[in-house]
Parts: sequence; structure tokens; C-alpha cells
Amino acid sequence: NAGVTQTPKFQVLKTGQSMTLQCAQDMNHEYMSWYRQDPGMGLRLIHYSVGAGITDQGEVPNGYNVSRSTTEDFPLRLLSAAPSQTSVYFCASSSNRISGNTIYFGEGSWLTVV
Amino acid sequence: GQQVMQIPQYQHVQEGEDFTTYCNSSTTLSNIQWYKQRPGGHPVFLIQLVKSGEVKKQKRLTFQFGEAKKNSSLHITATQTTDVGTYFCARYFNLNYGGATNKLIFGTGTLLAVQP
Repeated sequence: NAGVTQTPKFQVLKTGQSMTLQCAQDMNHEYMSWYRQDPGMGLRLIHYSVGAGITDQGEVPNGYNVSRSTTEDFPLRLLSAAPSQTSVYFCASSSNRISGNTIYFGEGSWLTVV
Repeated sequence: GQQVMQIPQYQHVQEGEDFTTYCNSSTTLSNIQWYKQRPGGHPVFLIQLVKSGEVKKQKRLTFQFGEAKKNSSLHITATQTTDVGTYFCARYFNLNYGGATNKLIFGTGTLLAVQP
């Protein structure tokens, strides 16, 4: 059972380049999210999805796009990378139990924009 | 705002000492979750609290939800070097998708350092 798988683990981008961070989960979870983590800022929600075809913005969505064409996959696209997007990115998934969900995180993707 | 505030930001203890981190909100929380993140790792779910005044224990860890559901605490008794990491609280926001939600907002975290 792989859980939540993120790729790549490390990436260096030049300012203005675009790229996609991949996230896949094999737990048949309805809910998936992307967070970024910066020193002293904790984890901030970028985008989230409650099911295939449904996405919404989190706290810091600017500069990022998402789509959810399948239950398993939730890619995060950086449209035009900026140094301010240098961060660690975590993908997460959970089931859709109304009473509250345990969220499972991927191992993270370290992104540096130069 | 939406975020929950955590104090302290950083705590350095000697192994065997106790440790407590606090999570505070200006609004009533429907529930609160706690996570631990080891250095270089990813957040790992510890526990969820839902009821006013709820207290839950996991070995040396004690989690408490305030009576007014506006604050929560995590207490570690007799810390060990394996407790090193950042502890986050997180709150859920209810959405309009049939009552279900996955919008989880994290606190700023408390970094715990344990000296052997």
C-alpha cells in the first residue's frame, strides 16, 4: 500500500518556468489537498478537492492551478515560477467521513526557484 | 481570521522534562486535530478532539480540548529524544458539500528540541 505518492521529491526551476507536481493516492480517498510549508509559517492550504471534477481555493492559491480528473490523481501546476514559490509542498488525502477525517500526507516535494 | 495560533514557537527541554504546547482560536472550533512532523519528514496525524472538555491520552501524550472549544493543548510527560519535531494543531472548516469537509487549516506549530 503506497499511500500518498508525490513526485518529484526535489526540483530546481528557473524564474518563469512552469512545472507540475504530481500527487497520487491508492486509498480511494475522495478528498485531496495541496499545502506549502515555509519556515515559521506552518502549513498553508493552496488548493483542495472533495472529489473528481471538484476543486476549490485554499489560503494561498495565487500562482497555482489544480485539476481533479480522477479520484487517484491531484496534480499541482506552477504556471510561471517565482522565487517566492520556493517551498516544500505536501499533498494530502483523506476519506469523506463527515465526522472528521484523518489526513495522510505524502513525503513532500522540495522546490527551489532561482 | 481562520488560523489558529500556537505557543510557544520553540521549546528546548532536557530529556525527562515535561513539555506543553497550546493552540488558541478567537472563534469556537468544531474540532481540533494534532499532528507531529519529524525534521525533514511529513506531518503525521496524532489525534482528533471533538467534545468540549475532552481529554485523550496516548502513552506519555495528553491532549485536551477547552470547555469553550476555543483552545487545546498537548502535554508530553518525561520527554524523550524521539519526541523531537514540530507539533501542529489544525482546525476543520465546514464546507457546503453536503456537510463534508476537507479544508484543514494548520496552526503555526511548536518546534520541540530535546537535549539528551
